[in-house]
Amino acid sequence: DQQVKQNSPSLSVQEGRISILNCDYTNSMFDYFLWYKKYPAEGPTFLISISSIKDKNEDGRFTVFLNKSAKHLSLHIVPSQPGDSAVYFCAAIGYNNNDMRFGAGTRLTVKP
Amino acid sequence: DVKVTQSSRYLVKRTGEKVFLECVQDMDHENMFWYRQDPGLGLRLIYFSYDVKMKEKGDIPEGYSVSREKKERFSLILESASTNQTSMYLCASSRDRNQPQHFGDGTRLSIL
Repeated sequence: DQQVKQNSPSLSVQEGRISILNCDYTNSMFDYFLWYKKYPAEGPTFLISISSIKDKNEDGRFTVFLNKSAKHLSLHIVPSQPGDSAVYFCAAIGYNNNDMRFGAGTRLTVKP
Repeated sequence: DVKVTQSSRYLVKRTGEKVFLECVQDMDHENMFWYRQDPGLGLRLIYFSYDVKMKEKGDIPEGYSVSREKKERFSLILESASTNQTSMYLCASSRDRNQPQHFGDGTRLSIL
């Protein structure tokens, strides 16, 4: 049973436009959420995170939004660049746990 | 700079063989993790360790074991490899639960 779901396997956007990647979770014990980016033949790299006490966290072109009541988070990339083309994973950590649960990933393609 | 090193990028083994995947981190991190990544399933946690000689089962521990004799090294063992264990294996480490995990570049394992 996947506790973290990314329902869109792929997303294509034009350079300069906004990319919105979505993630839903089922476990109400999750209290820390992260986004990772993965290029082919490399391990995932940490992008941005958000604690459940916040509803927004921003870092440059990347903003993560958390809606706890809907158990939904999203990653906004503005403006999108061709170098952002990668697979994006959302992940969640439960309260008092050390382990992390990942979604299946969304492949983002940013077209020049 | 943070470094997680996996001993092999590519590995080909035969059914029934005992397979060792090695992971070393140089950040003095307490927590270490092993995942496998499969298309459409994202990253699934196999085992993790929060201290030397300690281990916890993740979501899919069947057919695997782990060893953590030293803080910097976490080994994944396939006791008797099977074709359904063909996958990309990723090792990660973190300082504590609310810190992002740092990943190695992965080992693509093929079981023939």
